Amino acid sequence: EVQLVESGGGLVQPGGSLRLSCAASGFTVSSNYMTWVRQAPGKGLEWVSVIYTGGSTYYADSVKGRFTISRDNSKHTLYLQMNSLRAEDTAVYYCARSSIAARLGIDYWGQGTLVIVSS
Amino acid sequence: DIQMTQSPSSLSASVGDRVTITCRASQSISIYLNWYQQKPGKAPNLLIYAASSLQSGVPSRFSGSGSGTDFTLTISSLQPEDFATYYCQQSYSTPHTFGQGTKLEIK
Repeated sequence: EVQLVESGGGLVQPGGSLRLSCAASGFTVSSNYMTWVRQAPGKGLEWVSVIYTGGSTYYADSVKGRFTISRDNSKHTLYLQMNSLRAEDTAVYYCARSSIAARLGIDYWGQGTLVIVSS
Repeated sequence: DIQMTQSPSSLSASVGDRVTITCRASQSISIYLNWYQQKPGKAPNLLIYAASSLQSGVPSRFSGSGSGTDFTLTISSLQPEDFATYYCQQSYSTPHTFGQGTKLEIK
């Protein structure tokens, strides 16, 4: 059974840093495109970042230069390092699998982890 | 970046109604268009990928069509569990942008 379990969310001050983790099971992280999506309170979905099987990474303009996506294949874990956090980064962050078979439709999602950026 | 525009933003309908939601891309995305359903407090759920392919386990009352820039999601006969928010997403090029969402409410 495929499972994605995020952790690492919490309250952080503006300008601070946080690292989110996503533990995957039931499939191989390195053989899939892995994505982060966020949702601010009461708002819609916002695509944040993706890491491809070959290691290429891409980011939304809103987080480029501040966030870094990475993975540890041996730990079956995806990460999102978030630096220089702003109030507008407050959101639930979802780890997800973008299915190659489904033309990168996101077929599995974690439960989400809440990040609150506030002083 | 490719902009995705959904319409309407909200919709009231009754159980048994046929409902259509549209999604327009700011440039051609071939068939790299996905549809999701999200219920309050839950992660989204993939309904349709590649514009018209039904994801495994999704009821056949959901269908998708379109290519290029214009796409539709149709629910043939609304069921009580279908009242939710629906999002389109393009996966043609990064950033894989989402539409703003369509909230489907009970009339």
